Amino acid sequence: DAGVTQSPTHLIKTRGQHVTLRCSPISGHKSVSWYQQVLGQGPQFIFQYYEKEERGRGNFPDRFSARQFPNYSSELNVNALLLGDSALYLCASSSSGGAGYGYTFGSGTRLTVV
Amino acid sequence: AQSVTQPDIHITVSEGASLELRCNYSYGATPYLFWYVQSPGQGLQLLLKYFSGDTLVQGIKGFEAEFKRSQSSFNLRKPSVHWSDAAEYFCAVLTSGTYKYIFGTGTRLKVLA
Repeated sequence: DAGVTQSPTHLIKTRGQHVTLRCSPISGHKSVSWYQQVLGQGPQFIFQYYEKEERGRGNFPDRFSARQFPNYSSELNVNALLLGDSALYLCASSSSGGAGYGYTFGSGTRLTVV
Repeated sequence: AQSVTQPDIHITVSEGASLELRCNYSYGATPYLFWYVQSPGQGLQLLLKYFSGDTLVQGIKGFEAEFKRSQSSFNLRKPSVHWSDAAEYFCAVLTSGTYKYIFGTGTRLKVLA
């Protein structure tokens, strides 16, 4: 079975540009979460979606947005990129939107803003 | 506020030696606790998790962890480290009601041959 897949794996953007990151969850998983991992830090929660509805949002500016599609895949959008947005963006999926099941992570998208 | 503390930023052990990585959490209710491992440039792989019941949990790759409520700790252990265990290890709490992980800052493990 395929795990959580993220695309692209790497990309380089210029300050002020917009970026879209994509995530396909494990088949049958209805919950997708996004995390930002800055170099040398633990991942920070950005969003959680369950059954296409936003369940939670972390302490990130409105430049960050996300959505979940009917097939449960998800996109993370970041507008007006800043140098500080350079990070590894991780997507995680779970069969349930509730705590107690844990999440499976993808390998991430490495975003570099120059 | 909920938090996770991993007091050791770097740990170096010799291959074959035992390992213990420390994790302390701050959370009002009984937490769901996890340990993840991350190799360079990779995502997170789940090593083990604690939800309830037996406080000593077994994971993959020969790792185990013990939940100690009185110490608010969930330390990760391995009796004999292999060179392939060199990676970064993250402890995390999953908070009921918000469905989000709170991660520690990680411990980077170096293994000497």
